[in-house]
Amino acid sequence: EIVLTQSPGTLSLSPGERATLSCRASQSISISNLAWYQQKPGQAPRLLIYGASTRATGIPDRFSGSGSGTDFTLTISRLEPEDFEVYYCQQFGSSPVTFGQGTRLEIK
Amino acid sequence: EVQLVESGGGLVQPGGSLRLSCAASGFIFSNYGMSWVRQAPGEGLDRISAISPSGSITYYADSVKGRFTISRDNSKNTMQLQMDSLRVEDTAVYYCVKGGVGFVSDYWGQGILVLVSS
Repeated sequence: EIVLTQSPGTLSLSPGERATLSCRASQSISISNLAWYQQKPGQAPRLLIYGASTRATGIPDRFSGSGSGTDFTLTISRLEPEDFEVYYCQQFGSSPVTFGQGTRLEIK
Repeated sequence: EVQLVESGGGLVQPGGSLRLSCAASGFIFSNYGMSWVRQAPGEGLDRISAISPSGSITYYADSVKGRFTISRDNSKNTMQLQMDSLRVEDTAVYYCVKGGVGFVSDYWGQGILVLVSS
């Protein structure tokens, strides 16, 4: 099983700042099989990024993904108030499909 | 428009059973693997079961193996999760998700609450 470790667990920043979220895999993942999700309270997760760097439909361009191998990053260039939520990475190339434990982005 | 609508959740006593259903629309259901992902209160995401497009291949997390059974009916565009021998620790919101191994989880249902309590 591929374990995904996200860091930090909580990130405290202010609107307008840049956020960098990390996802580290226990073994190498094809970039095709890495995704990022955003979850708001009481809602289902929403796909943000797939293929490590491709934005899903309707996702603002302030969200970007990068990385390869075992290290992946979600960057939010200029935080908007609606971005302060929980973010999960996921690998779906190997069974079982696994998620990271999440990073909570909170307003400083 | 892709829609996934879960039903069948609710309150059940430990040891009881529930059957979740997911009604899918807006895509060719028989072409895609499907999954159930659950989220315990205040916790992260846990994919507990999945099924291949034809239904011939299934996956279960160790936590539910032997107690839960996933199935699908491609003629009705539905997926089910039969949950037996429920435990308190099965309490969670259960999401129906489009996508399996090799496919991104691009659409999620709204989620349905399963509460296991005496």
